Amino acid sequence: EAGVAQSPRYKIIEKRQSVAFWCNPISGHATLYWYQQILGQGPKLLIQFQNNGVVDDSQLPKDRFSAERLKGVDSTLKIQPAKLEDSAVYLCASSPSTGLGNTEAFFGQGTRLTVV
Amino acid sequence: AQSVTQPDIHITVSEGASLELRCNYSYGATPYLFWYVQSPGQGLQLLLKYFSGDTLVQGIKGFEAEFKRSQSSFNLRKPSVHWSDAAEYFCAVVGGSYIPTFGRGTSLIVHP
Repeated sequence: EAGVAQSPRYKIIEKRQSVAFWCNPISGHATLYWYQQILGQGPKLLIQFQNNGVVDDSQLPKDRFSAERLKGVDSTLKIQPAKLEDSAVYLCASSPSTGLGNTEAFFGQGTRLTVV
Repeated sequence: AQSVTQPDIHITVSEGASLELRCNYSYGATPYLFWYVQSPGQGLQLLLKYFSGDTLVQGIKGFEAEFKRSQSSFNLRKPSVHWSDAAEYFCAVVGGSYIPTFGRGTSLIVHP
C-alpha cells in the first residue's frame, strides 16, 4: 500500500513570496490533515478535511494560508505571502476515520520550508 | 479542549537500559491516546494507541504504554533500548472534538 505522498521535500523562499505544497493521501482515506511542525515543537494542526469539506481550520492563519482538497482526494496548502516565522516542516497525514477520531493517522515525510 | 504535556525535552539512556517516556493529558473524559515516533527527516509513525479496555497496550518495536486514569497519564516504556530507537517521540490525544493534539515531543538519545 502506497503511503502519503508529499512534494516538494524541501523549499527555500524569500519572505513575502508565495509557496504551495501538495499532498496525496492514502487511497480511500476520508480524512486529511495538514500540520505545521516548528523546530523543537510538536505538530500543530492547521486544517482537517473530511472528504472535501473542512472539519476544523481554527488554527489556520487565514490571512496568509489557504488549503483546498478538490474532489476529496489530494490537497494543496498555500502560503501567500510567507513570513520568516512560517519556516517549519509541513506534514500531511490521512486517516480512514469517518470522524470518530479513534483511528491512527498516517503521515507523509513532510515538506521542510525555509523562509529567508 | 484537550492538551498534552510531555515534561521531558530530552532523555538519555544507555543501550540495553530500560526506558520510560512520560505523557500527561488534560481532558474531561477518557480520550483516545497515541504514541508516535519520528526519525530525522521522516514523518511520524504510530507506535501504539489506546481507545478502551486493557490499560496496558502493546505496540510495535517492543514498546508498551499504560493508561492510568487516576494520574491522567499514558507513559511509554521499553524494557531494553536499542541504538535504533534514538528518535523523537510524540504523545497525542483525541478528545470529543476528534481533533488530534500533539505534545511537544521527547528526544531520545541512546549511548552505546
